[in-house]
Amino acid sequence: QVQLQESGPGLVKPSQTLSLTCTVSGGSINGDNYYWSWIRQHPGKGLEWIGYIYYSGITNYNPSLKGRITMAVDMSKNQFSLKLSSVTAADTAVYYCVRWEYGEGRPLDYWGQGTLVTVSS
Amino acid sequence: DIQMTQSPSSLSASVGDRVTITCRASQNIINYLNWYQQKPGKAPKFLIYAASSLRSGVPLRFSGSGSGTDFTLTISSLQPEDFATYYCQQSYGIPLTFGGGTKVEIK
Repeated sequence: QVQLQESGPGLVKPSQTLSLTCTVSGGSINGDNYYWSWIRQHPGKGLEWIGYIYYSGITNYNPSLKGRITMAVDMSKNQFSLKLSSVTAADTAVYYCVRWEYGEGRPLDYWGQGTLVTVSS
Repeated sequence: DIQMTQSPSSLSASVGDRVTITCRASQNIINYLNWYQQKPGKAPKFLIYAASSLRSGVPLRFSGSGSGTDFTLTISSLQPEDFATYYCQQSYGIPLTFGGGTKVEIK
């Protein structure tokens, strides 16, 4: 059973960089059909896809986040990470790391429990 | 971006009721449509993929249908554990996008 677990600071100051890591267990991050994604949910709101990284390092980011995103993968630790720069209060959200399975239907099949990140001084 | 429109945004129903939620895509997404269930304070849980295929372990009272731009999620007989928010999501184009959610509440 694949499990994902987010980790990182729960409080970030405005203008600083939000940094989160996702640790994958029960499966390898270097599977051919899997893209490792980040999704966020603003308090009481819907779901927003942030982007994905493939184990080879190929990335694809949501243009709405305007070049503030960097993702990386560490195969030796079976982890991937998210950095979001120049944060504002609008980036306060629950952040989920998610596996995107590139098979039939291409579902987001395994989710971390989520971590709340608050942007505040 | 592909816009996903869900309706209704909320509904009240009783245990045993048949519930139908609709999802419309702003362009043809073939069958790259997935459904998720989210309970308060929890991560979304993946229910249905490719519009109509049930994930292993998901109760048979859940079903999905549709193709192209119009899709539905049906719960044939609502159970107490089904009260939650449901989201559709398209995987045809990048960025991946979600519907706004349908909150199923107890009548």
